[in-house]
Amino acid sequence: DAKTTQPTSMDCAEGRAANLPCNHSTISGNEYVYWYRQIHSQGPQYIIHGLKNNETNEMASLIITEDRKSSTLILPHATLRDTAVYYCIVSENTGNQFYFGTGTSLTVIP
Amino acid sequence: SAVISQKPSRDICQRGTSLTIQCQVDSQVTMMFWYRQQPGQSLTLIATANQGSEATYESGFVIDKFPISRPNLTFSTLTVSNMSPEDSSIYLCSVTAGTGNYGYTFGSGTRLTVV
Repeated sequence: DAKTTQPTSMDCAEGRAANLPCNHSTISGNEYVYWYRQIHSQGPQYIIHGLKNNETNEMASLIITEDRKSSTLILPHATLRDTAVYYCIVSENTGNQFYFGTGTSLTVIP
Repeated sequence: SAVISQKPSRDICQRGTSLTIQCQVDSQVTMMFWYRQQPGQSLTLIATANQGSEATYESGFVIDKFPISRPNLTFSTLTVSNMSPEDSSIYLCSVTAGTGNYGYTFGSGTRLTVV
């Protein structure tokens, strides 16, 4: 079962930072936090993942709280193409199943 | 990362019939996963398919309804049997993305409509 809680929907103005929160209060020590997004009619796409430290790549930044019970995905300059459903998933190293929660539907507004 | 080819991309089927969905990967992978996404919903894991062993099904899914084959390390099929309109969903396969612990790669899905 999914171990994450996310807001159902969020809006963000184009060009502004989109901050998507995720609660994972029961995360275990060896579980990573993964973020994926699903643009309409496509398969989920990997964004970023982390264990303890904050992470940044060309798509986004991931901020994980010190107690690891929550995290925030940051899209620094949202564009209309970032409109999608964003899923936060916690899972051990590759080889374990991914269980998806309800995700956050992000709408970027012109 | 692994590249997945999923076929068919969409189909419209009559109730009571069966449809077999194919998932082809461009590299050898140990584990493959099948998901269902009902209209407007999140993804639900159906089963995990390992080569050389029976698939492991999640609660609420049974082999008679969703038989899975995994004949080698690059291929798997999911059959949706005796279909009803409630089976109308997107079915997706997923595999390990590759080295570097990047989670999983997903196919583009099969959009199934049962009439």
